[in-house]
Amino acid sequence: AQSVAQPEDQVNVAEGNPLTVKCTYSVSGNPYLFWYVQYPNRGLQFLLKYITGDNLVKGSYGFEAEFNKSQTSFHLKKPSALVSDSALYFCAVRDKQTGANNLFFGTGTRLTVIP
Amino acid sequence: DGGITQSPKYLFRKEGQNVTLSCEQNLNHDAMYWYRQDPGQGLRLIYYSQIVNDFQKGDIAEGYSVSREKKESFPLTVTSAQKNPTAFYLCASSLGTGSGTGELFFGEGSRLTVL
Repeated sequence: AQSVAQPEDQVNVAEGNPLTVKCTYSVSGNPYLFWYVQYPNRGLQFLLKYITGDNLVKGSYGFEAEFNKSQTSFHLKKPSALVSDSALYFCAVRDKQTGANNLFFGTGTRLTVIP
Repeated sequence: DGGITQSPKYLFRKEGQNVTLSCEQNLNHDAMYWYRQDPGQGLRLIYYSQIVNDFQKGDIAEGYSVSREKKESFPLTVTSAQKNPTAFYLCASSLGTGSGTGELFFGEGSRLTVL
């Protein structure tokens, strides 16, 4: 079975400070991992993905994420937060071994960047 | 521009009525998906289709129906059998099974409210 855990419902950070949004996953095989962002009443926008190779993945809007196989984690990071980063963030996983492409999503973490 | 179009953006329904949500994509993707989003529960898969004229139930298919008569279109019908239909519905698409890395592209969503 595949699953994703986002342990924090809410993360608050001051503008200009680094931010981290946590994600851990569980799959039977090797994972594809994704981060998406959602603004109010909008669809999800793709930020970045880990497929294979370098454990540090860089994505859109200055975000990056680090894949840690031993800790089964894929935390989202940004060196300096902007107020415009305030949104709902979703981590998702797919097992490479499965045939279907549907992703399993975490419950989301609401990021608030305080001016 | 290529993308996914969902309509309507907002929809109100009386109890006991069926309603159909539209999803059209011009990305030439083989696979399409419907997710339901409720506060604090993340995204849950309703149905998905990997090819025309074929679809599979997701985790919460009861009370919903779909069709896939054309590659571009994957409408979702919320039937009167769905006990709690008020939610935000998201349509997505991706390259088919075995193609690409499973990244999903999302529409802007449809918010259904049952009165």
